Parts: sequence; structure tokens; C-alpha cells
Amino acid sequence: GQNIDQPTEMTATEGAIVQINCTYQTSGFNGLFWYQQHAGEAPTFLSYNVLDGLEEKGRFSSFLSRSKGYSYLLLKELQMKDSASYLCAFMDSNYQLIWGAGTKLIIKP
Amino acid sequence: GAVVSQHPSRVICKSGTSVKIECRSLDFQATTMFWYRQFPKQSLMLMATSNEGSKATYEQGVEKDKFLINHASLTLSTLTVTSAHPEDSSFYICSARRPGGVETQYFGPGTRLLVL
Repeated sequence: GQNIDQPTEMTATEGAIVQINCTYQTSGFNGLFWYQQHAGEAPTFLSYNVLDGLEEKGRFSSFLSRSKGYSYLLLKELQMKDSASYLCAFMDSNYQLIWGAGTKLIIKP
Repeated sequence: GAVVSQHPSRVICKSGTSVKIECRSLDFQATTMFWYRQFPKQSLMLMATSNEGSKATYEQGVEKDKFLINHASLTLSTLTVTSAHPEDSSFYICSARRPGGVETQYFGPGTRLLVL
């Protein structure tokens, strides 16, 4: 079967670093995506990993280990505007996105 | 990045009426578009996959006669909620898959539907 899991909620301090983990199980895999979704808005694309390793993009980095079915999103130098839900999703063998429930990130001053 | 528009952004209608939502890819041709529904504090739920020129593929539990999808061109897909009821009130989001390279889905801004 397929499943994907991420924490429901996390809290971090402005200026700090936070890592949001995502684990998944699937027989067919075509990449792992991270999206950011602010309340009341549609998701926006953050990153895509299809090979193992770390992809860095400014303050945000995403890591993938296919053998472990594990990914994380790393946010550095946190800003208040980073308060949002972060959705991980993997693409299965049919190129369908399977979504996690999202992690609500709360940034405190 | 790619741009996907959605119209209307917000709609309020009476129970029993039909509502049409448009999804357009503005700067690329999308052979595949997706329709999602999201209830408050929940994740995205895929309703259907829309392929240009063919019938949409609906997810289990989604009534195809109630949620009519038409993907008439490479840049436009429409979702019509027929005979809407209050339980259909939700945030409807479309996304379009940009062909070539990364199989990324780009989301429209969403349509908030309130059925009275």
C-alpha cells in the first residue's frame, strides 16, 4: 500500500532553524515534493527531490533518502512569514501525487 | 514559475444551484489538470484528474454526475458543481501539470464556495 506521514504541528522561534520530516511508503516512486500553504491560500511549490541527497534553495533545503522512504524540509533563519502549513507529497508510478496531511509551522518571536 | 488562474475566487450560491469554476494555465499548455477539494484544517483531497480531450478520471467516492469536469482545451479545465448543497461548501483548488522536465503541479489560487 501507500502512505505518507508528517507531524501535525511544529513550533519554532524567529531566526532559528526547523526541520520538518516526512516518511512515506510506496512501491512506485517518481519524486518527493514540498509545498507551502498559507491559511486560506493554495499551495505553492517549494522543492522537488527525485535523487538521494540535499537540495538547497536559499533559506530552504530539502533532503531525500529513497532507501529509507524519508525526506525533510529544512528552513533556516526563520521569519514570521514562514508560518504556514508545509505539505509533502510523493509522486507514485502513475505520476499521481499522494499528499501528506501537512505540518502546521508556528513561528514565535 | 508557471501561472495558473482560477475563477471565481469566491462564490456564494443557494442550495440547488450549479456553480462553474474555471482553471486556466496562462503561460503553458497543460495536458493534465487536477481538481482538489480542501476542507478547513485538512489536507488536499484529489477529486479528479482531467485530461485534455478525454473523460476525467474521478477518485473513489467522488460523484462524476455531481462534479462535472470539462477539459476542452490545453489551457482550460472547468469544474461544475451541480445542484450544490451546503456540504459542498469547501475550498476548491485546481492544478496544472507542466509538461517536460520536473513533473511539477502548479496550483491555481483556489475558489472558496459557500452554499447557503
